[in-house]
Formats: sequence, structure tokens, C-alpha cells
Amino acid sequence: AQSVAQPEDQVNVAEGNPLTVKCTYSVSGNPYLFWYVQYPNRGLQFLLKYITGDNLVKGSYGFEAEFNKSQTSFHLKKPSALVSDSALYFCAVSENTGFQKLVFGTGTRLLVSP
Amino acid sequence: NAGVMQNPRHLVRRRGQEARLRCSPMKGHSHVYWYRQLPEEGLKFMVYLQKENIIDESGMPKERFSAEFPKEGPSILRIQQVVRGDSAAYFCASSTRGSDTQYFGPGTRLTVL
Repeated sequence: AQSVAQPEDQVNVAEGNPLTVKCTYSVSGNPYLFWYVQYPNRGLQFLLKYITGDNLVKGSYGFEAEFNKSQTSFHLKKPSALVSDSALYFCAVSENTGFQKLVFGTGTRLLVSP
Repeated sequence: NAGVMQNPRHLVRRRGQEARLRCSPMKGHSHVYWYRQLPEEGLKFMVYLQKENIIDESGMPKERFSAEFPKEGPSILRIQQVVRGDSAAYFCASSTRGSDTQYFGPGTRLTVL
């Protein structure tokens, strides 16, 4: 069965500093990996995805993520955090047998202080 | 291009009543997915539908819950005889045929009194 772990409930970072939000996954086949962001009382917004190809994926709002097959990780990164990046971040995975079912992590709250 | 629309945004029901949640996918999208988010938890897959077909309902509770996506009109998630444990945010997502990316609506927050 597929699973996703986000080991940190919250990440605190000062504005202008780099940020990393961690995600590890478990699937039996090839993983398709996604990051979504959720602002208060809003739906999830798609940030980026890894399907195949280059292990470094660039997405919206300056975010990027690195797929590491040996460590089964897909950490989200940004070189310079903004206060407006403060939100809830979800990592999700689906198997290559189909995209029907996304399995989500429990989410990591990012707090960027001025 | 309007995004995924969900209504109502907030729904309050008393125990035993029925809840109907609606989802209109993005224009051109023929695949709809429903997820439930309990407080302080991630989203859990419930059901995947295409027009007039339920493709995967492995995440749906066996009783009281049903979903449809008719040929015309929005997708409906129906919860009969609601209980307090049904209180959650219900999110709909849509995608095009064969697409790997699901786009989410703003959610319906159901509160059962």
C-alpha cells in the first residue's frame, strides 16, 4: 500500500532564509509525487509534481523539490522564504498504475517570520 | 477559466439529516475525485468518478455515503443520516482524461450538530 510521511508538524523559518519541508514515501511501483499548498479555509493549490525525468523539479512561486529514489524522499525547498509562504503543505503520491487515487501526508505547517 | 467549484462552502446539519455536496469540475475536465479532511489530518481519498461511472469507491464508507457524476450537471456527494463523526471538510478535485494532475476546489465544510 502507498503511504507518505511528513515527519515535521511545523517548520519555522525566518524570511529570506532557505526552507525545506520533508517528505518520504512508500509505493510498490514507480511513484508519482506531488506537493500542494493549503491556505486557511481554502482548497489545495498545486505546486509541483515529479513524474519522470530530471530529479529536480521546479514549480510555482519559486518552489522546487528533489526526487531521491534511494532515500525515497521528495523534499520541498525554496531558496528564500517569504512571509506569504506561511501555509499548510501536503505531499502526495500515486502509483504508476493510475492517477486515480492520491495518498496524502498529514501536512506540515510552514511559519515564516518577518 | 473558472476553477473547480464547490457548493455550499459551509453546511450545517443536525444528526439524522441528509447532506448533499456539489462539485462542478473545471471546464474540459471529465474526471472527478472526492476527498475528506478530518480536523488536523491529511486528505483521504473517497471516490473517483467519470461521467455516469464510478471508477473507484474504495475509500467510501460502506453505508450512508454515495456519489454520482451525471451526464449533465455537477457531481454530488450524498451523506444520509449524518452523524457527528461526518463533520469534516470535503474536497472535490478534477482532471482531464489521462492527466496526472488533480485540481482542487475550495471545499465544503460540513458541521453536524
